[in-house]
Amino acid sequence: TQLLEQSPQFLSIQEGENLTVYCNSSSVFSSLQWYRQEPGEGPVLLVTVVTGGEVKKLKRLTFQFGDARKDSSLHITAAQPGDTGLYLCAGTSGSARQLTFGSGTQLTVLP
Amino acid sequence: SAVISQKPSRDICQRGTSLTIQCQVDSQVTMMFWYRQQPGQSLTLIATANQGSEATYESGFVIDKFPISRPNLTFSTLTVSNMSPEDSSIYLCSARPITGVGYGYTFGSGTRLTVV
Repeated sequence: TQLLEQSPQFLSIQEGENLTVYCNSSSVFSSLQWYRQEPGEGPVLLVTVVTGGEVKKLKRLTFQFGDARKDSSLHITAAQPGDTGLYLCAGTSGSARQLTFGSGTQLTVLP
Repeated sequence: SAVISQKPSRDICQRGTSLTIQCQVDSQVTMMFWYRQQPGQSLTLIATANQGSEATYESGFVIDKFPISRPNLTFSTLTVSNMSPEDSSIYLCSARPITGVGYGYTFGSGTRLTVV
């Protein structure tokens, strides 16, 4: 069973601060995705990374895939209350089509 | 990307009864999945819904408890059978598009089930 561990599990910060969420595994993934989920909704895809060392930017969010494709990070610059939510990393490996989800990071940005 | 309509959005059910959750996708998709989630926690895969054949269940989940149908490429149902309070959770369906840029998966908005 492939496991994805996220840290921290909970994060509460003030508006304007920066933060980084980590997603780590001992297994190699062919692709890794980041989702954000708000209460009462399903997860919404933020980004997919597929190449080791890849860096993608989405406005104030920066995503990185580790060189060995075993880990990833999400960095948010100048967090805003609208960034509040549950952040989930999820990976696929080999020919498997189902996602393996990380343990989740609950982010709260206080105004 | 595909849009999924999932219903009901929530229900309160008596123990011993069954509830069927429906997911309708607005476009053809290759694969559909069913997940369970406790509020604020990660998602656990229940099964992969296969079009025209029996679903593929993950360890710990069985067909008698969670029968799944997928009669075509855009529709699937999950039934939670003989419910007990331990089945109280959020159930989500997900779909993978036939042609997806970035391999993105789409999720329904979930069904919050409370068993009393």
